[in-house]
Amino acid sequence: QSALTQPASVSGSPGQSITISCTGTSSDVGSYNLVSWYQQHPGKAPKLIIYEDTKRPSGVSDHFSGSKSGNTASLTISGLQAEDEADYYCCSYARGDTWVFGGGTKVTVL
Amino acid sequence: QVQLVESGGAVVQPGGSLRLSCVASGFRFNGYVMHWVRQTPGKGLEWVAFIRPDEVRTSYAGSVEGRFTVSRDNSKNTLYMQMNSLRVDDTALYYCAKDLANGYSFEYWGQGTQVTVSS
Repeated sequence: QSALTQPASVSGSPGQSITISCTGTSSDVGSYNLVSWYQQHPGKAPKLIIYEDTKRPSGVSDHFSGSKSGNTASLTISGLQAEDEADYYCCSYARGDTWVFGGGTKVTVL
Repeated sequence: QVQLVESGGAVVQPGGSLRLSCVASGFRFNGYVMHWVRQTPGKGLEWVAFIRPDEVRTSYAGSVEGRFTVSRDNSKNTLYMQMNSLRVDDTALYYCAKDLANGYSFEYWGQGTQVTVSS
């Protein structure tokens, strides 16, 4: 199972919106509405911020939003804040009860 | 609140074995799918294994299939990972993760336990 493809880095100024893409295949991202996104600050465990392509867990800020088209999922951070600076990973369920992660995207707030 | 505490990580030689444990609290352990996920600085996050609440259904990443075995003891609220025939590229921080109720994403994570495979 190949890793999902994410850009290595994305940057933006405070208040701007940025979008992180996550490209898979018809065997994972394109087959199921089961993409999730995780935020990870240095030295911390990952935190779930989006599940089932577009849903936010309770307590997660609504300036995070998820979408998907075909084999590509996207995470948008609206109104970028300093505390959004972190690594972001996408993950998709794939057939046979397996999961595949993206390589991660480092978000920098300029 | 949900807590997941991993232990058992160590430095081990190639070909060696380790058993990781993850003690869970703050939720009904026997009602949730559990996972192991590992992280290396160079490769990011990698899903490793999954086990259903009934302890019967499991699955593994191809990179560990046949070498790693996931299990759980619902009476002890504990998840395990038996790791055999360890290789240098198994070196990573190993997290246990509780699945969201939908069964397809990782809702809560422990702080991880470091496994280093080196001669």
